[in-house]
Amino acid sequence: DAGVIQSPRHEVTEMGQEVTLRCKPISGHNSLFWYRQTMMRGLELLIYFNNNVPIDDSGMPEDRFSAKMPNASFSTLKIQPSEPRDSAVYFCASSLAQAGGETQYFGPGTRLLVL
Amino acid sequence: AQSVTQLDSQVPVFEEAPVELRCNYSSSVSVYLFWYVQYPNQGLQLLLKYLSGSTLVKGINGFEAEFNKSQTSFHLRKPSVHISDTAEYFCAVSGYSGTYKYIFGTGTRLKVLA
Repeated sequence: DAGVIQSPRHEVTEMGQEVTLRCKPISGHNSLFWYRQTMMRGLELLIYFNNNVPIDDSGMPEDRFSAKMPNASFSTLKIQPSEPRDSAVYFCASSLAQAGGETQYFGPGTRLLVL
Repeated sequence: AQSVTQLDSQVPVFEEAPVELRCNYSSSVSVYLFWYVQYPNQGLQLLLKYLSGSTLVKGINGFEAEFNKSQTSFHLRKPSVHISDTAEYFCAVSGYSGTYKYIFGTGTRLKVLA
């Protein structure tokens, strides 16, 4: 079975450009999570969806960040405009349900560098 | 509010020696506890989790953890480590307060030495 798929795996862009990260969760999973990992701040939960509906976006750093889940098999995280401090590894994860005890399955991540 | 503290940022240990990675949490509600492992340039994968019942939880790759409610701890142990265990280990907690909150610790980098 395919795991969580993220694209692109690497992205290099210039400050001010729009960046779109994509995620395909595991088929049948109802919850999807976006995380950001940096050396300084560790792993931070940005937003999570349940049944395509955003449940908690309190971790989204500012209005430059937006996330959508138009259907059960696709989600995007968009940064517009991007800034150098957005450089990080962005992970998408999915789980069977929203219940707190569910295992999250992580994708390989997108390594973003904003120059 | 919930929080997770991993007391050691790096732990060097010789191959075949035992290891303990420490994790403490705080929460005003009941929580579920997890340990995840991240190998270089990969996403995180679950080692083990505590939901309820027996406080000693066994996971993959010979790891185990013990939930101690009075000390609010969930330390990870392995009796004999291998070079291949070199990775970063994350403790995580989830609990319900209106919505589920998921908090990860800052990670402990385990370095197994030959």
